[in-house]
Amino acid sequence: DQQVKQNSPSLSVQEGRISILNCDYTNSMFDYFLWYKKYPAEGPTFLISISSIKDKNEDGRFTVFLNKSAKHLSLHIVPSQPGDSAVYFCAAMYNNNDMRFGAGTRLTVKP
Amino acid sequence: EAEVAQSPRYKITEKSQAVAFWCDPISGHATLYWYRQILGQGPELLVQFQDESVVDDSQLPKDRFSAERLKGVDSTLKIQPAELGDSAMYLCASKRGSPDTQYFGPGTRLTVL
Repeated sequence: DQQVKQNSPSLSVQEGRISILNCDYTNSMFDYFLWYKKYPAEGPTFLISISSIKDKNEDGRFTVFLNKSAKHLSLHIVPSQPGDSAVYFCAAMYNNNDMRFGAGTRLTVKP
Repeated sequence: EAEVAQSPRYKITEKSQAVAFWCDPISGHATLYWYRQILGQGPELLVQFQDESVVDDSQLPKDRFSAERLKGVDSTLKIQPAELGDSAMYLCASKRGSPDTQYFGPGTRLTVL
């Protein structure tokens, strides 16, 4: 039962342009959403999060948007840098428990 | 900067053998998680500890998997006997309390031959 879905397995963008990674969820009980970044041979690293009471959270080059009515969130990276190349996981949780992950999107930023 | 430690980083074993993975969470983190990540998928929770107590092990295949956190600090995940389908990355994560972000270790890559 995939409650969190990342439908794009991969994304390629040019350095300096915007990267937009998308995530959809099915469980309306989710109240907290996170994005993790994962480099090869490393564990996922927390990137940014958003509570369900907000629709936008920004941290430097990274912004997460939440559309609760559409059960959709997205991560925007502006400007994209080659060091951003990694696998990005969307995650969702409710009542601060039981975090569910999407399958990940591999982002490649070309110089 | 404090990190979650895991060992070994890589493990190759034959099916029907026993394997064990170790995790040392960030100091002071009361909650510890074990996840399994199959290639091409996101991490899936196997077991969650609050201090030394199991909070959630509903997704742990208890016929072959076991996990313990005896003193509420480090933790061990064991598989006996290992099966081919157990080949995956096993990730440990910890957090201080609620609400807080989970911090992941580097994982143990298990290959079962």
